[in-house]
Amino acid sequence: GEEVAQTPKHLVRGEGQKAKLYCAPIKGHSYVFWYQQVLKNEFKFLISFQNENVFDETGMPKERFSAKCLPNSPCSLEIQATKLEDSAVYFCASSPTGDTEAFFGQGTRLTVV
Amino acid sequence: RKEVEQDPGPFNVPEGATVAFNCTYSNSASQSFFWYRQDCRKEPKLLMSVYSSGNEDGRFTAQLNRASQYISLLIRDSKLSDSATYLCVVNIRRTGQLTFGSGTQLTVLP
Repeated sequence: GEEVAQTPKHLVRGEGQKAKLYCAPIKGHSYVFWYQQVLKNEFKFLISFQNENVFDETGMPKERFSAKCLPNSPCSLEIQATKLEDSAVYFCASSPTGDTEAFFGQGTRLTVV
Repeated sequence: RKEVEQDPGPFNVPEGATVAFNCTYSNSASQSFFWYRQDCRKEPKLLMSVYSSGNEDGRFTAQLNRASQYISLLIRDSKLSDSATYLCVVNIRRTGQLTFGSGTQLTVLP
């Protein structure tokens, strides 16, 4: 597609429940990134993919967070056993190469109650 | 020290004013530089890439000074629709990971 598509727009989960977020990158873009925006404009990098391969996962809290980008499927970010502090907007972005501008999806607002 | 630092703002300016935002980055190996704008917690949208030679797009001018590790954005003839948060964004690592400044809020007043 011509834009990064993220679903769902909003997600509410009770503490301890699982949350799964999806992202379809722009067609032809090889790189996918996940960011978390919690307070004001603090963006936290989580993970990046080059096609279906993890490229950089230095930002991922590995105990509960996992992500995949499989061929012919939307990319996904999964949070097991959500905590209150996971409440945030999760943005997915895609880029044609690793060092050019990235285009963002509309985000998924996760609220953990 | 943060890797990307911006003017804290907020900036409140009248329509038609010229406003400048500054940003510094700490990693001299940074690869590429961008200004994004974000409206009311919507997704960041690319405003401009920033090149060493400086670049202009209508009312917007971006400058990069690699020696000083400094990036600027100038907005001329401000419009009400320019009201947003402006994010200075740097690609520091070859992995493509973008590092964001904390943003500067601009409100253009009628």
